[in-house]
Amino acid sequence: GENVEQHPSTLSVQEGDSAVIKCTYSDSASNYFPWYKQELGKRPQLIIDIRSNVGEKKDQRIAVTLNKTAKHFSLHITETQPEDSAVYFCAASNDYKLSFGAGTTVTVRA
Amino acid sequence: NAGVTQTPKFQVLKTGQSMTLQCAQDMNHNSMYWYRQDPGMGLRLIYYSASEGTTDKGEVPNGYNVSRLNKREFSLRLESAAPSQTSVYFCASNLEMRDTEAFFGQGTRLTVV
Repeated sequence: GENVEQHPSTLSVQEGDSAVIKCTYSDSASNYFPWYKQELGKRPQLIIDIRSNVGEKKDQRIAVTLNKTAKHFSLHITETQPEDSAVYFCAASNDYKLSFGAGTTVTVRA
Repeated sequence: NAGVTQTPKFQVLKTGQSMTLQCAQDMNHNSMYWYRQDPGMGLRLIYYSASEGTTDKGEVPNGYNVSRLNKREFSLRLESAAPSQTSVYFCASNLEMRDTEAFFGQGTRLTVV
């Protein structure tokens, strides 16, 4: 089955700096790569996703890149703000199963 | 439009007790899922239902059963709860299994003592 690894497990950044989270996946058939944000005590919510036929996607301060050859994808958050503090999960989907990484706890220091 | 609704939000069980977690969605989604979330392990798929009338095992199905009651509802049953099943459980749904956004319920925090 699909195995998604996510790094780092924790990330502390100064407000205004950038944050980068990296994920690798094992199944070359995976074709959909969403990122979810989970605030403390809340449900995970989609923040951005990318499909296998696209190399990069951007939405305001967040961007995702995908390298299918290397089987890795990354989330980039620029100009971080306190409300970006949360747990971020990457995931990979191959037809029916959405497999998640273990999560990255991001803390934005004021 | 409530999205995905789970009940209960909190539950404490004694070892060996049984219970059913309920999940309902009002978005006319075809696919529904049950995940468990444990510290440092992300979200692990327990069971899923690609469409009404079908269910399949995910990564960690042992100790659980599911029922896709109709298109809206997907329940998760613990027949004989064990402390290892202490976790936060999330139900999710999406329009189709492949490459569409999954919407999550608010979660059920289950403690087995």
